[in-house]
Amino acid sequence: NAGVTQTPKFQVLKTGQSMTLQCAQDMNHEYMSWYRQDPGMGLRLIHYSVGAGITDQGEVPNGYNVSRSTTEDFPLRLLSAAPSQTSVYFCATTQGSYNEQFFGPGTRLTVL
Amino acid sequence: AQSVTQLGSHVSVSEGALVLLRCNYSSSVPPYLFWYVQYPNQGLQLLLKYTSAATLVKGINGFEAEFKKSETSFHLTKPSAHMSDAAEYFCAVSEGRTSYDKVIFGPGTSLSVIP
Repeated sequence: NAGVTQTPKFQVLKTGQSMTLQCAQDMNHEYMSWYRQDPGMGLRLIHYSVGAGITDQGEVPNGYNVSRSTTEDFPLRLLSAAPSQTSVYFCATTQGSYNEQFFGPGTRLTVL
Repeated sequence: AQSVTQLGSHVSVSEGALVLLRCNYSSSVPPYLFWYVQYPNQGLQLLLKYTSAATLVKGINGFEAEFKKSETSFHLTKPSAHMSDAAEYFCAVSEGRTSYDKVIFGPGTSLSVIP
């Protein structure tokens, strides 16, 4: 079991470029989410999905797009990268009776 | 909506000393509370969780936390710090009881352990 995997680990973009951060899970969990982590701000929810074909916005959705065509995959798209999107991005799944989350290793993104 | 505060963005302790990391949640009692740990350049992993079964919760690596409703707190403790405990610690609350409910994270506390 790989759990939650994310690619790439590191990425540098120029302002205005677009890219997709990949997230995959082999735990068969319905709920998946994307967070960004910035110093002193904890984790902030960008988008989430409660199952294939269903997505919704979190706390900071602007500039990001998601889709969920399968249970396993939940990619995050940056439409036109901005320096304010420099951050560490984590994908997570949730399962079980107590809403415990399982995190991927993260993608460190720098936008110049 | 729930909110979480963690007093002290950075805490330093000597090796072997008591570790105390503070967490307070907003006034309504959340169904579930969590502490997550993040080691350098890694994702978050669950340290322990409160599910209302017991107010004192034991987790991995010798950590424990006590839920105190009167103080709206869920502080994390460890009797004796080890060098390997140096990490970022996040307190979190679940807004509901299902896996579809959002989890709100605190800003985090960075723990340093001095040899």
